[in-house]
Amino acid sequence: AQTVTQSQPEMSVQEAETVTLSCTYDTSENNYYLFWYKQPPSRQMILVIRQEAYKQQNATENRFSVNFQKAAKSFSLKISDSQLGDTAMYFCARGGGTYKYIFGTGTRLKVLA
Amino acid sequence: GAVVSQHPSWVICKSGTSVKIECRSLDFQATTMFWYRQFPKQSLMLMATSNEGSKATYEQGVEKDKFLINHASLTLSTLTVTSAHPEDSSFYICSAKHTGLLRETQYFGPGTRLLVL
Repeated sequence: AQTVTQSQPEMSVQEAETVTLSCTYDTSENNYYLFWYKQPPSRQMILVIRQEAYKQQNATENRFSVNFQKAAKSFSLKISDSQLGDTAMYFCARGGGTYKYIFGTGTRLKVLA
Repeated sequence: GAVVSQHPSWVICKSGTSVKIECRSLDFQATTMFWYRQFPKQSLMLMATSNEGSKATYEQGVEKDKFLINHASLTLSTLTVTSAHPEDSSFYICSAKHTGLLRETQYFGPGTRLLVL
């Protein structure tokens, strides 16, 4: 079965500090996409960052960056200079092309003032 | 970024009635949309894939006669919960697949909270 695993159910970080959320996945495809979505208390799913599997360069979006290790099937999210507004549930997802998206179980992140 | 709307955001209905939820991609065309269900403090569960102009593909265990999906245009998909019962109460989220510039991404609507009394 194709799975996405987030092994950290909950994490906390002090404001302005850096935190890394882990994600591993299983796939038999060679071309796919990886995503991190944020779900704040409003429950709106917001795209944080995406990575094409064929690209070796790690994606970055302002304070958010990923560490993509294709051989290890690992896709972690690093949040730098954490802000109170980063408090949310974070979901890792794998998908692309004709393949449906598979979401991890989520990591609840709390940024402490 | 691409915007997806969902309506209504909140609905309360009596058991036995039907409820229709609309999902629209506002600034892009989406041949493929998805419907998810999310229970409190859990991940998203894919219910079905909605394809414009063709029948939806349902996930195992999802009753297609219970959850009717119509994708009549490139910007609109609807989910109708027929003969709703209290166990259908949940948070329903739609998403639309954006493939512009070959950068495929799913963008999500704000969700619909359904409460069946």
